[in-house]
Order: sequence, then C-alpha cells, then structure tokens
Amino acid sequence: EPEVTQTPSHQVTQMGQEVILRCVPISNHLYFYWYRQILGQKVEFLVSFYNNEISEKSEIFDDQFSVERPDGSNFTLKIRSTKLEDSAMYFCASSEAGITEAFFGQGTRLTVV
Amino acid sequence: AQTVTQSQPEMSVQEAETVTLSCTYDTSESNYYLFWYKQPPSRQMILVIRQEAYKQQNATENRFSVNFQKAAKSFSLKISDSQLGDTAMYFCAFIHAYSGAGSYQLTFGKGTKLSVIP
Repeated sequence: EPEVTQTPSHQVTQMGQEVILRCVPISNHLYFYWYRQILGQKVEFLVSFYNNEISEKSEIFDDQFSVERPDGSNFTLKIRSTKLEDSAMYFCASSEAGITEAFFGQGTRLTVV
Repeated sequence: AQTVTQSQPEMSVQEAETVTLSCTYDTSESNYYLFWYKQPPSRQMILVIRQEAYKQQNATENRFSVNFQKAAKSFSLKISDSQLGDTAMYFCAFIHAYSGAGSYQLTFGKGTKLSVIP
C-alpha cells in the first residue's frame, strides 16, 4: 500500500540552527501539506502546496518557514533560526484530490535545545 | 472560520464494550467533509472514517460508525466491541468541499484520549 514517508523520524537541533524536514508524498497525489503538533496539543495546519506553489499558509507559517518540491518527488519543510517553541511533531500529508483522504506520514519529532 | 470542538479530553471503556466520542463543529458552509483520525502512541495519524455532508446516511467502517447530525453540527464516533488496539488519541477534523485557493486544509479538534481497559 502506498504511503507517505518522512525523514528523519527524530531531529535534535541547537537553537538558531536551520533544519530541513523531508517528505516523500504518494506518487500520484497532487496536494501536499505540512501540519504541526506541539506535544499535548491539537494538530495545526501550516501550509498547503499545489501546482508547484504554496496555495495557502497559516499565521504560524511566517518567514522562518519555507517549503520546496525540488525534484518532483520530495517535499521539504525548512525551518530557519529554530526556536525552542518550534519543538513539535511535524506531519507531512498528501491527497490525490483536495477533498479525498489526506494520507499522513509518520511524522518527524523536532526537538530544539 | 470553522472550528471543531471535542468536549471530552479523556475517556475509557472496557474491552468489548461500546464507546461514543463527541464532536461538534461550526461552519457557515453547506458542503464539507468530516473525518475521524486515530493517533496511537506511535503518533502516526490514521484515518478511521469519513462523512460527506451531503450524504444523509451515516458512514460505517467495520466496528466504527458515526452519528452525523447536520442541523446540530454534530459528528460523533461510535466504537463497538472495543479492542486494546483502539487505545489512542482520536481527532475529529473538518474540511470544506470547495476551495478556490487550491487548499483543502484540515481543521482539527483538540482530541479525545481513549483508553481501552482489559
């Protein structure tokens, strides 16, 4: 069964450093998303990506964040100058069409120290 | 903006019993989709069940079923014959059926932690 794959599963980084979280969406999917879940809290939307560009972003997704789909298969989230409050689980998701089921990856646990 | 409310932070149920998790939502749209996602201790988000707002018939998926009350904006999840593997966080989520911006972001509730007791 096709699945969304995220790497790494756990990333520890020093405050102020840049991190890149990687995702391989399901191959025939057209919509891509990043969500964040701070420990013990609800899952929050960060950004959606469609037709090779950002289609929508939340208030959380400020200039510190960027996304790329560099090679037609990977979908990355870059976080610059990480802060302690960026520590969270980051989920990548993809869907074939907008309203069809969004498949989630297993998440990347980011810990900023 | 739409909101999703799950009023039960934690619940427990005896193995083999039935449990119902509550969810209410608020939207001015008439066409949308509702989901229940399960997040076990592994933290992966797994779709449990989905309901189209235009369908009056409640969705069912094996031991999982929903009670969708569109007028009341209520979308509860019933788990029958609860199993130990059902222990997880359960999130109710909402998505609009149409987005001109090409984004179909999910709006999640805060979740209900379900524990199945042997």
